[in-house]
Amino acid sequence: DGGITQSPKYLFRKEGQNVTLSCEQNLNHDAMYWYRQDPGQGLRLIYYSQIVNDFQKGDIAEGYSVSREKKESFPLTVTSAQKNPTAFYLCASSAPGQGLPLHFGNGTRLTVT
Amino acid sequence: EDQVTQSPEALRLQEGESSSLNCSYTVSGLRGLFWYRQDPGKGPEFLFTLYSAGEEKEKERLKATLTKKESFLHITAPKPEDSATYLCAVQAAINTGKLIFGQGTTLQVKP
Repeated sequence: DGGITQSPKYLFRKEGQNVTLSCEQNLNHDAMYWYRQDPGQGLRLIYYSQIVNDFQKGDIAEGYSVSREKKESFPLTVTSAQKNPTAFYLCASSAPGQGLPLHFGNGTRLTVT
Repeated sequence: EDQVTQSPEALRLQEGESSSLNCSYTVSGLRGLFWYRQDPGKGPEFLFTLYSAGEEKEKERLKATLTKKESFLHITAPKPEDSATYLCAVQAAINTGKLIFGQGTTLQVKP
């Protein structure tokens, strides 16, 4: 079955450490996205990539970095510069075109103490 | 500024009690409005896309409608398994790579 796999489901890190969240898709989608979800807030866009080797900052990119070396993979690194990293992180993908929906993975819950 | 507001924040219904969720939006040129369902600890699951005012989509007990300023998600005779958070998002004509999400409505249906 095609889909988006995020790993791990839960991640715990000490403050000051960088951490990388994995996102893999086998939907053959060109575009991939990272969103952050906090309680009582809408999903907020961190980074997105519409083609391999190219990506753009979203609304809250500070303290995060990404790479897109393969069509299937879009890892997100949460750096020590991110002031409030504890959150639920969602990866999504979409095929190019007008109004096509995003398909989401099941998220990674990151806790930094 | 593009914005999406959902109401109410939370809704509690008895099984069989029909109701509607609201999604108000302001966007510079709507390319699409999307409804998602999200269960606790899971990613959002796509429900509907609406493209233009007057359009309606149905799936089981859910029906989504769209006007020029808002969308409604009507839930007819809900069951406990309809309990979830429902998210609304818009895709603006200019920023085609982005969806703008509302904060969601958490629905609880009691048996």
